[in-house]
Amino acid sequence: KAGVTQTPRYLIKTRGQQVTLSCSPISGHRSVSWYQQTPGQGLQFLFEYFSETQRNKGNFPGRFSGRQFSNSRSEMNVSTLELGDSALYLCASSQTGGSTDTQYFGPGTRLTVL
Amino acid sequence: AQSVSQHNHHVILSEAASLELGCNYSYGGTVNLFWYVQYPGQHLQLLLKYFSGDPLVKGIKGFEAEFIKSKFSFNLRKPSVQWSDTAEYFCAVNARMGSGYALNFGKGTSLLVTP
Repeated sequence: KAGVTQTPRYLIKTRGQQVTLSCSPISGHRSVSWYQQTPGQGLQFLFEYFSETQRNKGNFPGRFSGRQFSNSRSEMNVSTLELGDSALYLCASSQTGGSTDTQYFGPGTRLTVL
Repeated sequence: AQSVSQHNHHVILSEAASLELGCNYSYGGTVNLFWYVQYPGQHLQLLLKYFSGDPLVKGIKGFEAEFIKSKFSFNLRKPSVQWSDTAEYFCAVNARMGSGYALNFGKGTSLLVTP
């Protein structure tokens, strides 16, 4: 079974631009979560989608948004990029996003904001 | 505040040494605990998880962890490390958030195993 895939793997943007990252979950998984990984803050939860609905959101500004499609693929969008948005963005999928579900992570998208 | 703490940020061991990485959490009620590993250049992978039952859980590659409820701890252990265990290790709690759940990670421990 194919793992979680994320595209693109690397992105370079400039301040003020916007960016869209894509995530394809493991087949059959309906929950997709997004995390930001930085050296200073570690791994921080952004949001989680299940059946096209955002169920929860971490403590990030409204510039960070996402959506999920009927095939469970998900996108996240960051508008008005800031230097501090440079990070590795990880997508994880699980069957239902329940408390005991294991989340499987993709390789991430490395975003650099200049 | 709910949090996950990993005490050792950087650990250096020689091959064949024993490993113990500390993890403490501050959550009330039932907790679901995970250890993930991130090898250099690779994505996060699950090492092991604990939901209930036997507090000593075994994972992949010879790793195990012990859940001690009274100490709010979930320490990771391996009797004899190998060079290939060089990686970053993350402890996490799957916590209720909104109408779903989210992994709350510790800051991670970077392990370097020297030959």
